[in-house]
Amino acid sequence: KAGVTQTPRYLIKTRGQQVTLSCSPISGHRSVSWYQQTPGQGLQFLFEYFSETQRNKGNFPGRFSGRQFSNSRSEMNVSTLELGDSALYLCASKPSPGGVFADTQYFGPGTRLTVL
Amino acid sequence: AQSVTQPDIHITVSEGASLELRCNYSYGATPYLFWYVQSPGQGLQLLLKYFSGDTLVQGIKGFEAEFKRSQSSFNLRKPSVHWSDAAEYFCAVGLISNFGNEKLTFGTGTRLTIIP
Repeated sequence: KAGVTQTPRYLIKTRGQQVTLSCSPISGHRSVSWYQQTPGQGLQFLFEYFSETQRNKGNFPGRFSGRQFSNSRSEMNVSTLELGDSALYLCASKPSPGGVFADTQYFGPGTRLTVL
Repeated sequence: AQSVTQPDIHITVSEGASLELRCNYSYGATPYLFWYVQSPGQGLQLLLKYFSGDTLVQGIKGFEAEFKRSQSSFNLRKPSVHWSDAAEYFCAVGLISNFGNEKLTFGTGTRLTIIP
């Protein structure tokens, strides 16, 4: 079974631009979460989607948004990029959102975004 | 608010030596605790998790962790490290909101270097 895939793996943008990152979950997984990883702030939860609906959201500004499609693939968008948005963006999938952490999250390799 | 502290940013261990990575958490209730590993260029992989019951938890790759409520700790151990264990290790605590949403809060990570 293929793992979580993220595209692109690397991306360079300039301040003020917008960017869209894509995540394809493991087949059969319907919950997709996004995380931002930076050296200064570590791993921070962005949001979680299930059945095309956002279920959970971290403390990020409205410039960060996401969506999920009917095939469970998810995209996240960052508008008006700032230098501080440079990070590794990780996507994780699991079968369903519930289960009291019973379902293991499987992480993708991430998209490395550099903002110049 | 919950928090996770990994006091050691970087640890160097000789191959074959024992390993202990420290993790302290701050959380009012009984926490859900996790250890993840991230190899270079890879996403995070779950090593083990603790929900309740036996305070010594066995994980993959020969790792184990012990939950000590009195010390608010969940330290990761391995009796004999291998060169392939060189990676970054993250401790995380899980929170379930009043709405039933699950969210992971990660520590800042400990980078493990193995010397021959």
